[in-house]
Amino acid sequence: SQTIHQWPATLVQPVGSPLSLECTVEGTSNPNLYWYRQAAGRGLQLLFYSVGIGQISSEVPQNLSASRPQDRQFILSSKKLLLSDSGFYLCAWSSRENQPQHFGDGTRLSIL
Amino acid sequence: EDQVTQSPEALRLQEGESSSLNCSYTVSGLRGLFWYRQDPGKGPEFLFTLYSAGEEKEKERLKATLTKKESFLHITAPKPEDSATYLCAEVLGTGFQKLVFGTGTRLLVSP
Repeated sequence: SQTIHQWPATLVQPVGSPLSLECTVEGTSNPNLYWYRQAAGRGLQLLFYSVGIGQISSEVPQNLSASRPQDRQFILSSKKLLLSDSGFYLCAWSSRENQPQHFGDGTRLSIL
Repeated sequence: EDQVTQSPEALRLQEGESSSLNCSYTVSGLRGLFWYRQDPGKGPEFLFTLYSAGEEKEKERLKATLTKKESFLHITAPKPEDSATYLCAEVLGTGFQKLVFGTGTRLLVSP
């Protein structure tokens, strides 16, 4: 069966520090991969999606970037965090055969 | 702009008290609608996909239905373990690449 892992589960970072969140998927090949942010009282907002290694599409202009160095690895990064980057970050995957997206358990990011 | 609206924002039920959650979408030519359950501090868990008006899906005490303008999640005789936030999402684009999510309904079922 397929599983998705995100780490860390929680992270507290100072303003201006760098960020790297990692997501890996097991049990499937060539998945579509997604990064979302969920703010309190708001719906999940799609940040990035990827249909293959090195192929990244950005949905909103922001302080963040994403990379996909391997088929089942998706990384969310920032060079300098802003207070507004605080939130709950979720990674998801879906197969290429029009299946639903399946989510990891997220990373709670707090910026101080 | 495509938008998904869920109501009510919060719902409190007694155990065994059935009710329905609403999800309205505003896009023409719906490609699909997903329902998810989200527990506090966790990622959303997939429940159902609906593709066309009139379609229904069931799982235990939950049943999802779809019309041309909205979807309902019916909860029959709920139990405390059904307490969670329920999210709906509309499919955009091809290949299910993009979802637009509602803000969810927080359900609390009291024993």
